[in-house]
Amino acid sequence: DAGVTQSPTHLIKTRGQQVTLRCSPKSGHDTVSWYQQALGQGPQFIFQYYEEEERQRGNFPDRFSGHQFPNYSSELNVNALLLGDSALYLCASSSEGWRNTGELFFGEGSRLTVL
Amino acid sequence: AQTVTQSQPEMSVQEAETVTLSCTYDTSESDYYLFWYKQPPSRQMILVIRQEAYKQQNATENRFSVNFQKAAKSFSLKISDSQLGDAAMYFCAYIYNQGGKLIFGQGTELSVKP
Repeated sequence: DAGVTQSPTHLIKTRGQQVTLRCSPKSGHDTVSWYQQALGQGPQFIFQYYEEEERQRGNFPDRFSGHQFPNYSSELNVNALLLGDSALYLCASSSEGWRNTGELFFGEGSRLTVL
Repeated sequence: AQTVTQSQPEMSVQEAETVTLSCTYDTSESDYYLFWYKQPPSRQMILVIRQEAYKQQNATENRFSVNFQKAAKSFSLKISDSQLGDAAMYFCAYIYNQGGKLIFGQGTELSVKP
């Protein structure tokens, strides 16, 4: 049973560029959340997708957008990259019943470096 | 606002010994969950242990146990018989029921000395 998979694992961009990160949830999961983890910090919630809609959003600007596909996979897009966007981007999946269990399954993340 | 605080940026323990990692949180909710996640150098966040706030009994998972003090809003993790593989960043996290998002602390880096 494949867990949460993310791609790419590493990427380097320059300021002003745009980036797309991808996530495939664990089998049987229908909800995907994205987190940004700056170096030496705890992850910060970006947004959550369920039924192809953004259900919740953290304190991130509109440059951060996402999408969920009918197969539950998800993309995170960041426009007009800033140096401060350099971070590890974590994808986490769960089932709709997660509010009872509270458990998220995380991928290994995509390390984004903005130069 | 809900916050999670880990006051120990780094901790060290001798192999086979016991170590306790501290966590405090702030919330006005009564129904919530608390977690400890482990993040090894491979970067994948792994759930270590989970505690439901409405349960008074402290959760245990093999060598890992918690001391949950709801009134004090404290949630510490005890690792017994520490092993080299326990070395990692440990994050305390909180979610309130129907909340939809995890709120993480800043993390504690645990090193295990052979």
